[in-house]
Amino acid sequence: GQNIDQPTEMTATEGAIVQINCTYQTSGFNGLFWYQQHAGEAPTFLSYNVLDGLEEKGRFSSFLSRSKGYSYLLLKELQMKDSASYLCAVRGRFGGYQKVTFGTGTKLQVIP
Amino acid sequence: DTEVTQTPKHLVMGMTNKKSLKCEQHMGHRAMYWYKQKAKKPPELMFVYSYEKLSINESVPSRFSPECPNSSLLNLHLHALQPEDSALYLCASSQETHSPLHFGNGTRLTVT
Repeated sequence: GQNIDQPTEMTATEGAIVQINCTYQTSGFNGLFWYQQHAGEAPTFLSYNVLDGLEEKGRFSSFLSRSKGYSYLLLKELQMKDSASYLCAVRGRFGGYQKVTFGTGTKLQVIP
Repeated sequence: DTEVTQTPKHLVMGMTNKKSLKCEQHMGHRAMYWYKQKAKKPPELMFVYSYEKLSINESVPSRFSPECPNSSLLNLHLHALQPEDSALYLCASSQETHSPLHFGNGTRLTVT
C-alpha cells in the first residue's frame, strides 16, 4: 500500500519562507509531485521529482530523498495569493499497477 | 487557463437521472484520468485510460461508466447516483502514464 503524510495546516508571514514536508511509504516508487489547490478550484501542477535532489522553479523548490521517503516543498518570498492547500502526490505500485496517490494536503495560510 | 476543459462546471441531478460529464484536451496527451474529490479531502483516483484503453478501474461502482471516444475526449456517464456521490469530479491528462498530471477545473456534482 501507500502512506503519504503531510502536516494538516501551516501559517506563515508574507515575505517569509515556508517549508512543507511530506513523508511517504510505497513500493515501486516512480516519482513525487507537488500540486497547489485553491479552495473550490482544481489542483495546479507545481513540481516533479523522480531523482534525489533539489528542483528549483522560481519561488518554488522541491526536494526529494528516496532513501528516506521524504520530500519538501519550499516557498520563498511568500505572497498572500500563496494561501492554498499543497498536495504531495506519489506515483508507486499498488495492486499490481502504478498509480498516483495524493496525500491529504497541507493548508497554508499566509498572513500580513 | 487550464488546457483540460471540463463541462459542465456545475451539475445538479436526481437519483433517477442519467447525465454525462465531458472532458477534452488537445495537448496530445495519451493518458486521461477521472478523480473524485470530496470537501477537504484529496483527489481519489477512479479510472485511468492509456492510449484510449481503460487501464485502471479503482473498483468504482457501475453507476459510474467511463468512455474514451478518442485520444482527446473522456466522458463519465452517470446513472442512478446516490447523494453521497456529490463531489468535485476532476479530469486530468498526462503525456504518458509516468508524466505529471494536468487537471481540468472540475465539475461540481450535486445529487439530490
